Amino acid sequence: AQTVTQSQPEMSVQEAETVTLSCTYDTSESDYYLFWYKQPPSRQMILVIRQEAYKQQNATENRFSVNFQKAAKSFSLKISDSQLGDAAMYFCAYRSAQFADKLIFGTGTRLQVFP
Amino acid sequence: GAVVSQHPSWVICKSGTSVKIECRSLDFQATTMFWYRQFPKQSLMLMATSNEGSKATYEQGVEKDKFLINHASLTLSTLTVTSAHPEDSSFYICSAMEVAGARWPNTDTQYFGPGTRLTVL
Repeated sequence: AQTVTQSQPEMSVQEAETVTLSCTYDTSESDYYLFWYKQPPSRQMILVIRQEAYKQQNATENRFSVNFQKAAKSFSLKISDSQLGDAAMYFCAYRSAQFADKLIFGTGTRLQVFP
Repeated sequence: GAVVSQHPSWVICKSGTSVKIECRSLDFQATTMFWYRQFPKQSLMLMATSNEGSKATYEQGVEKDKFLINHASLTLSTLTVTSAHPEDSSFYICSAMEVAGARWPNTDTQYFGPGTRLTVL
């Protein structure tokens, strides 16, 4: 069975600085999708970024980028120029491309942003 | 695009009553919708997967007779908590995935509703 691990329960960053959130996963599949979702205090889950496993190029979305290391089964999220609005819980998630549609979530990392 | 709504956003009910929560995809058609439960400071726990026009698939340990799911159309799924008890109090979140063949990046991506806080007295 696939698992997703987020080893950092909490992280903090100074406004305008850069922070990296870690995520590792375990799977025997070769084709899958990886996601980072953000859950602010409102509790609305917001898609931050997604990565297809067959793509070698790391996904980027404005200030958010990932470091996808398929062989190491690592999928870290880098937030550049951190803003106060980035403060939230961040969940890493895995989805098989072949079997089922459900997401497998990590336990989350709470990010605090200090002015 | 890819907006999902939930109604109500919060509900308080008495023990023994039933509560219905609606999940709608507002600007896309969703063949598959998912229902999650989230306890404070924890991750999302998948309860069930519903496909339009067919019976929902429940995760192990989830009582299907207690949590009734109906996915009657490509834009609407409902979760009914029957005979609610205080231990059912939680934050319930739905998500929707666009039909296959839709434009990237909507395919294969779940978009989440804002959640419903249920309190059972």
